[in-house]
Formats: sequence, structure tokens, C-alpha cells
Amino acid sequence: DTGVSQDPRHKITKRGQNVTFRCDPISEHNRLYWYRQTLGQGPEFLTYFQNEAQLEKSRLLSDRFSAERPKGSFSTLEIQRTEQGDSAMYLCASSSTSVRLGTGELFFGEGSRLTVL
Amino acid sequence: TQLLEQSPQFLSIQEGENLTVYCNSSSVFSSLQWYRQEPGEGPVLLVTVVTGGEVKKLKRLTFQFGDARKDSSLHITAAQPGDTGLYLCSGRGSNYKLTFGKGTLLTVNP
Repeated sequence: DTGVSQDPRHKITKRGQNVTFRCDPISEHNRLYWYRQTLGQGPEFLTYFQNEAQLEKSRLLSDRFSAERPKGSFSTLEIQRTEQGDSAMYLCASSSTSVRLGTGELFFGEGSRLTVL
Repeated sequence: TQLLEQSPQFLSIQEGENLTVYCNSSSVFSSLQWYRQEPGEGPVLLVTVVTGGEVKKLKRLTFQFGDARKDSSLHITAAQPGDTGLYLCSGRGSNYKLTFGKGTLLTVNP
């Protein structure tokens, strides 16, 4: 069973450095989502793609954040000039708009935990 | 903005006890999901409820969707230590984006 996979699982970086996370969704899923979760909070929506098109971006996503899904398969989330407030778990999820594949539930990866020193 | 409030925020009980956690909103959702999340892991989907008044059972877990599709509850019977985790509810509005509550952190002590 190839679920949603994220890489790396953990990243420690110094303030000001750039980091990139990768997400490989479930292969038949055309929608891909990025969420951020801090301790004691539920996941907060950042952005989502349908195929290669980025359809919505949260106001939480500052100019330092950029997400891509160039071929409609895997996605990357890059954070430039990281700040300590960026420390969080970055979750990727995928879903399908095909009725044949279910009712659109999101399936999450295990997350990429970022620590900015 | 559609907000989901979960209560209680924290719950610590003994093995064998029953419990209910709640998820409430002032907004109507086309569907509502319950997830369970363990530390350092991503949320895992437990159930989706779609119809107002719907009740779904998953072994010792019973999920109910309010008649007006604004609220939901999760009842666990005879809780076990393996039930420990963060229980998140999420609602789907008019698009495919999910809005999450802050979760209920459940600890079941042996």
C-alpha cells in the first residue's frame, strides 16, 4: 500500500536558511494539500492543488513560502529565510475527486517536522 | 471563515471508562470527518459522516452527525490505552478544503 509519503521526516535548520519538503501523494489522487500544525493545535490549511494547478492559498502563506506541483504528481513546499516561528509539523494530504475512488476524504502523510534554531 | 470548536480540550480517564467528545460549529458542513493522531504522526481518518442525524459505529467508537449538520460527537465505550491520541474533527464546506478543530487530547491510563 503506497500511502502519502513525505520527506524529510525531520529537519533542523538555522534561522535564515531555506528548506524544502517533498510530498508524494497516493498515485490516483488528483488533489494535494499542505497543512501546518503546531503543538496543541489542529492542522491549519496552507494551500492545495488540483493536478498541477494551485487553486487556493491561505493568508498564512507568506511570500517566503512557495509550493509547486509541476507534473501533477509530487509536490514541494519551500520556505525561504526561515524564522523561528516557522517551526511546526508540515503535513501533506491527498484526495480524489473521482466518485469511484471514494467520497473525497483526505489521506495524510506522516508529516515533516521543522525546527528552526 | 468556518470554525470548529472541540471540547473538552484535554481528557484523562481510566481504562474501561466511557467518554464523549464534541465538535461544534455555527456553520453547516457538507460532511464532517473524525481523525485520530498520534505524536509525531499524521492524522488517520476514522470516519466520515454526511447525512444529518447519521450515526456510524466503528467497534467501540460511535459517531453522530447533528441533524443540522453543524455538530458531531464521538463516543468511546470501555476505553483502552490504545485509544490514547489527539482526536480531530474536520468539516468540509462548499469546496474540497477541510477546516480542522484544535482537537481533544485523550489519555487512557491503564
